[in-house]
Amino acid sequence: DGGITQSPKYLFRKEGQNVTLSCEQNLNHDAMYWYRQDPGQGLRLIYYSQIVNDFQKGDIAEGYSVSREKKESFPLTVTSAQKNPTAFYLCASSYSLYTIYFGEGSWLTVV
Amino acid sequence: QKEVEQNSGPLSVPEGAIASLNCTYSDRGSQSFFWYRQYSGKSPELIMFIYSNGDKEDGRFTAQLNKASQYVSLLIRDSQPSDSATYLCAAGGAGGTSYGKLTFGQGTILTVHP
Repeated sequence: DGGITQSPKYLFRKEGQNVTLSCEQNLNHDAMYWYRQDPGQGLRLIYYSQIVNDFQKGDIAEGYSVSREKKESFPLTVTSAQKNPTAFYLCASSYSLYTIYFGEGSWLTVV
Repeated sequence: QKEVEQNSGPLSVPEGAIASLNCTYSDRGSQSFFWYRQYSGKSPELIMFIYSNGDKEDGRFTAQLNKASQYVSLLIRDSQPSDSATYLCAAGGAGGTSYGKLTFGQGTILTVHP
């Protein structure tokens, strides 16, 4: 089945540690996105990529990094510079203005 | 700063009633508008999108857009307990903007009680 796969679903980060969230899609979509959601809040855009080897900062990119080496993959690294990383992270992809697919999400907690 | 504001909740309606969810946006360049439903701990699922002024109906759901007032709404008729969720309003940009680059509101919690 076509879709977006995020892993891991739950991840724990120690202070000062970098962690990477995986996002893979087999929908052949050019554009991919990372959103962050805090409890009781809407989604905020971290990074997005419209084409391989190119990506742009969203509204809250500080403390995060991404790569887009393959069309199917858009991993997000939460660096130690992100001081409050505990949140629900959502990856999405799209091929048109009206067709945006979300993955199941990854929960990141700082321990 | 582009903003999307949703009516404060939580909203509670009895089963069978009409639930009305409202949203305003600040960026007049926004061209497309989306309503997502999100159950606790799950990813958002698209209910409807609208990009022309007026009403758009899909089953029990009706989205309304008024670009002059920068206002979007979602009506849920014959509300069911299964409609209980957080509803997210989102706005997207004009042509040339990355498709999924949306600005979301903070969400409105809807509870439909039997």
